[in-house]
Amino acid sequence: GENVEQHPSTLSVQEGDSAVIKCTYSDSASNYFPWYKQELGKRPQLIIDIRSNVGEKKDQRIAVTLNKTAKHFSLHITETQPEDSAVYFCAAGGNTGNQFYFGTGTSLTVIP
Amino acid sequence: DVKVTQSSRYLVKRTGEKVFLECVQDMDHENMFWYRQDPGLGLRLIYFSYDVKMKEKGDIPEGYSVSREKKERFSLILESASTNQTSMYLCASSLLGQGSGELFFGEGSRLTVL
Repeated sequence: GENVEQHPSTLSVQEGDSAVIKCTYSDSASNYFPWYKQELGKRPQLIIDIRSNVGEKKDQRIAVTLNKTAKHFSLHITETQPEDSAVYFCAAGGNTGNQFYFGTGTSLTVIP
Repeated sequence: DVKVTQSSRYLVKRTGEKVFLECVQDMDHENMFWYRQDPGLGLRLIYFSYDVKMKEKGDIPEGYSVSREKKERFSLILESASTNQTSMYLCASSLLGQGSGELFFGEGSRLTVL
């Protein structure tokens, strides 16, 4: 089945700096790549997603890039704010397993 | 607003007990999922269902079973709870199948097995 690796596992940045989280996947059939944010004690929520027919997608301060050839995708958060502090999960879907496969998560701390 | 409701936020059970975790969604979604969340391991799929009375194993189905008798309800069953099943359990639903489209998660059920 699909294998999704996510790095780093923890990330600390100063408020206003950028944060980048990277994921790789193994199944070339995967074609849908969502990112979820989970604040402490809350449910994961979708923040942005990208499909394999595009290379980049932006939504205000967050962006996702996809390199299908290298099988990796990344989340970029610019001008970080304390409320960006959370655990972020990448996932891959639409693959031969017909399900979502999640990365192990990145705990982001934005230091005021 | 999609709502996925898990019946219990916190449960404490003893080894060998049978445990039922209930999940209800109110958006007429075809697809429902049960994940287990452990620190450093991310979200691991236990079982999922694409239709009533239909179920498929995920990556870690051992020790678990599921039931989907109605479209809106997906139950996770631990036939004989063990301490290594102490974890956070997350239910989710989605409109689109085939591993595509947004997952809507419940608040989670934190299970402790003593």
